[in-house]
Amino acid sequence: DVKVTQSSRYLVKRTGEKVFLECVQDMDHENMFWYRQDPGLGLRLIYFSYDVKMKEKGDIPEGYSVSREKKERFSLILESASTNQTSMYLCASSFTRNTEAFFGQGTRLTVV
Amino acid sequence: AQTVTQSQPEMSVQEAETVTLSCTYDTSENNYYLFWYKQPPSRQMILVIRQEAYKQQNATENRFSVNFQKAAKSFSLKISDSQLGDTAMYFCAFMKHSRGAQKLVFGQGTRLTINP
Repeated sequence: DVKVTQSSRYLVKRTGEKVFLECVQDMDHENMFWYRQDPGLGLRLIYFSYDVKMKEKGDIPEGYSVSREKKERFSLILESASTNQTSMYLCASSFTRNTEAFFGQGTRLTVV
Repeated sequence: AQTVTQSQPEMSVQEAETVTLSCTYDTSENNYYLFWYKQPPSRQMILVIRQEAYKQQNATENRFSVNFQKAAKSFSLKISDSQLGDTAMYFCAFMKHSRGAQKLVFGQGTRLTINP
């Protein structure tokens, strides 16, 4: 079975802190994605990566950056956390030749 | 840009009933994919069913089937003989056909509750 693992299920951070959300997949997928999930808004794409060291902005990249130094790992970075970044964050991965995306369990981040 | 709309924020039915979740989308693309994803209370999102736009036949997966109306840009999900384990958030999603990384565009979600 494909496994996408997010390092934390719950995080509480203070405003202004630098926050790292980690995601690891074990199926050698080329593509990895970070989504943000908010009630009434569904999932919105923050950033994605189609290869090591390659990244592209999604629909809501402001306030975020990403890092993909190894194929299996995709990190989301909040440079200076703000309260409006309190949300559920979902990581996903997929093969380019297959349309199915596999998701992690999510990280619920609270910024206080 | 593509948009996906789910107009039913919440639905509730009795166990064993049939329920239909609605989804409409807007795109100028001709080749694309449509999906229904399920997110149970444990939060891991999983794929329920997938439809390729060039296929006229509606996709089915056991108790799950879709009604794909390409001209109307409508993609509803029917769950037959609903079970308690079907309780979840359901997201409709769109993906443009491309050779690069496939990005999903999601609707707002429908919270479905199956009552005993």
